[in-house]
Amino acid sequence: DGGITQSPKYLFRKEGQNVTLSCEQNLNHDAMYWYRQDPGQGLRLIYYSQIVNDFQKGDIAEGYSVSREKKESFPLTVTSAQKNPTAFYLCASTRSPGADQPQHFGDGTRLSIL
Amino acid sequence: GENVEQHPSTLSVQEGDSAVIKCTYSDSASNYFPWYKQELGKRPQLIIDIRSNVGEKKDQRIAVTLNKTAKHFSLHITETQPEDSAVYFCAASDDYKLSFGAGTTVTVRA
Repeated sequence: DGGITQSPKYLFRKEGQNVTLSCEQNLNHDAMYWYRQDPGQGLRLIYYSQIVNDFQKGDIAEGYSVSREKKESFPLTVTSAQKNPTAFYLCASTRSPGADQPQHFGDGTRLSIL
Repeated sequence: GENVEQHPSTLSVQEGDSAVIKCTYSDSASNYFPWYKQELGKRPQLIIDIRSNVGEKKDQRIAVTLNKTAKHFSLHITETQPEDSAVYFCAASDDYKLSFGAGTTVTVRA
C-alpha cells in the first residue's frame, strides 16, 4: 500500500538540541514538501524539493534544514536556532514538480519542548 | 507571494443544512485551488479541487465555485452529516508552492 510515512509520531526536544523528523514515500513521487501547522493557523511551507539533490526554502525556513539525497526520503532537521519549534509537522509529496496537483500527506509528527 | 484568506474561522450547522466556506487570494497568476479536510490529529485529505479554467465543480454533496475576476472561491457542502465535522482548508497554488488559508472548523449538530 503506497503512501507517506512520517516518524516518529511524537518527539520531544531539549534546549539546544537538534532533532530530525523522518519522511519516506513509496509513491515514486518527484516532489516533496514540509509544512508546519500551529493551532488556529493554516499550513505554512518550510522547505520543498522538486527533484533529488535540490531543495528550496519556503516561507518559514529559518531554524530548519533539509536534505534530499534519495527520491523517497526528505528528512527535516529542527535546529537549536528554531526558538519556537512546538508544532505539528506534516510532510507531503506530489507526483511531479509543481504545486498545481494534489498533495499527499503523511500522518505528521508532533514536536514538543521538554 | 500569495496570500489566502479564509472565512469564517468556525461554522456550526444543523445536520442536513448546507455549509459554505469562502476564500480569497491575492495572486492573479494562481491557477489551482484545492480544498482539504483534516480531522483531529489526522493528515489533511484532498476533498475537491478546481483549476482556473473552470468556474464550478461538483462531487456528490460537495461543490466548489471559482470567480477569477474577483479572486475568490468557495466550498459548498449540502445535506451535512456528522462525519462532515472537521477543519477545512482552502489553498491556492503559486508556481511551485501551495498557500493555505487559516482553516474553518465545521461542527455539524445532530
